[in-house]
Amino acid sequence: QSALTQPASVSGSPGQSITISCTGTSSDVGSYNLVSWYQQHPGKAPKLMIYEVSKRPSGVSNRFSGSKSGNTASLTISGLQAEDEADYYCCSYAGSSTSFFLVFGGGTKLTVL
Amino acid sequence: QLQLQESGPGLVKPSETLSLTCTVSGGSISSSSYYWGWIRQPPGKGLEWIGSIYYSGSTYYNPSLKSRVTISVDTSKNQFSLKLSSVTAADTAVYYCARHVAIVVVPAAMFFDYWGQGTLVTVSS
Repeated sequence: QSALTQPASVSGSPGQSITISCTGTSSDVGSYNLVSWYQQHPGKAPKLMIYEVSKRPSGVSNRFSGSKSGNTASLTISGLQAEDEADYYCCSYAGSSTSFFLVFGGGTKLTVL
Repeated sequence: QLQLQESGPGLVKPSETLSLTCTVSGGSISSSSYYWGWIRQPPGKGLEWIGSIYYSGSTYYNPSLKSRVTISVDTSKNQFSLKLSSVTAADTAVYYCARHVAIVVVPAAMFFDYWGQGTLVTVSS
C-alpha cells in the first residue's frame, strides 16, 4: 500500500486561503469517505483537524474545512494565521469489514509568509 | 480529559525487540467504538500507522510490518503495548500511541483523536 501523495510545501500570507491536496487511489480515498487530516507543530504530537472528509472536531476553528473529489481529498485553511504554520498530514482508510489498513500522506509543510 | 502516555526504552540494539507501553488515563480502554493504535514517525519524515487493537484483543496491523509486530492489551491496567522484533536502524522513530475511533463493520469513523506525546526510540549498537 503506497503512501498518499501530498505537496511537500505550500505557503500563503496572513488572511489568505490555501488548499492542500491529498491524492490516493480507488482503493482508499476514492472508495471511502474516511479521510482525516492532522496538524503537527515541531516537536509536538499530531492534532486531529478534520475527520470523515469534512467534519470538524469540537474546538477546531471553522477556518479549516475538508472536501473530496474522486481519488483526491483537500484541506482548505481560510484566513491564514501565523499559528497555522505547521506540517499537515492526510490519512485514509483502505480495507473491508474483516480487515483494514490506514495510510498516511507524506505530509505538507505550510509556511505563513 | 483522556490522556495517553508512552513508556519504554529509548535505545534498542539492532536485531533485538522494541517494547513500548501506552498507559491510558481519564477514560477506560474498554470503551466500545474505540480501538487503540500505534503510529510512528522517523526523524524528519512522515507518519506511519503500525497497528490497532480493540479491548477484546482483536488486532489489525500494517501489512508492511505485520510479520514483526505484536500489539496486546491489558484492560486491568488500562494499558496496551507494542512489540516490534528484529529491529534495524530504519525502525528509529518517534512512536506515538493514540485512541483510534473506528467502527470496523460499517466501516465508519477511522481517525485518531487523542495522542500521546510520543517517545523517541533509537536503534543503535
